[in-house]
Amino acid sequence: AIQLTQSPSSLSASVGDRVTITCRASQGISSAIAWYQLKPGKAPKLLIYDASNLESGVPSRFSGSGSGTDFTLTISSLQPEDFATYYCQQFNNYPQTFGPGTKVDIK
Amino acid sequence: EVQLVESGGGLVQPGGSLRLSCAASGITFSSYWMSWVRQAPGRGLEWVANIKEDGSEKDYVDSVKGRFIISRDNAKNSLYLQMSSLRVEDTAIYYCARDFPPYCTTTSCIAPLDYWGQGTLVTVSS
Repeated sequence: AIQLTQSPSSLSASVGDRVTITCRASQGISSAIAWYQLKPGKAPKLLIYDASNLESGVPSRFSGSGSGTDFTLTISSLQPEDFATYYCQQFNNYPQTFGPGTKVDIK
Repeated sequence: EVQLVESGGGLVQPGGSLRLSCAASGITFSSYWMSWVRQAPGRGLEWVANIKEDGSEKDYVDSVKGRFIISRDNAKNSLYLQMSSLRVEDTAIYYCARDFPPYCTTTSCIAPLDYWGQGTLVTVSS
């Protein structure tokens, strides 16, 4: 199975900060990456698919980029509701796999 | 508004069985592949299984093959996960989710997941 790593595993940031999370795949996966936001007790939320496509209804401060093995999720100006854990997912190969997550908390 | 509501979680002993349900509303349930995904305590997400619109195709992650069965009842807008021979390492929050349709074919679906429920907790412990 394709392994995904994320960095950093956690970060502390302030409202208004620009935040970048990286996801690296163990082999090339074209642009078959999605990003999710998870908050405790809530339904996970799809943010980005195909590396850079913004899911409907997701604020434009979220963006994604990359192809092959290296991908990034950027939050251009962190808002209070963005403090959460973020996961990448590859859907190029069976089985789809997820990264270990990046927790974004308040500095 | 799309809603997926899981139920059926609880405490079960190793070797035991449990059946999870997911009730869907706000979507034409019978038109979509559906998945189960789990998150073990302090761990990341793991895709568990998915099932085709009509139930004729199913896929499982290797760690649950032969122990878990995914099924659906389109007349009841419901998805199920029958779990047996449960192990401590199956302890997790189990989510149901919709497979993002453009990535699904007639025989498989390896896709992003665009709608999720809030999950139900399964604890396997003696």
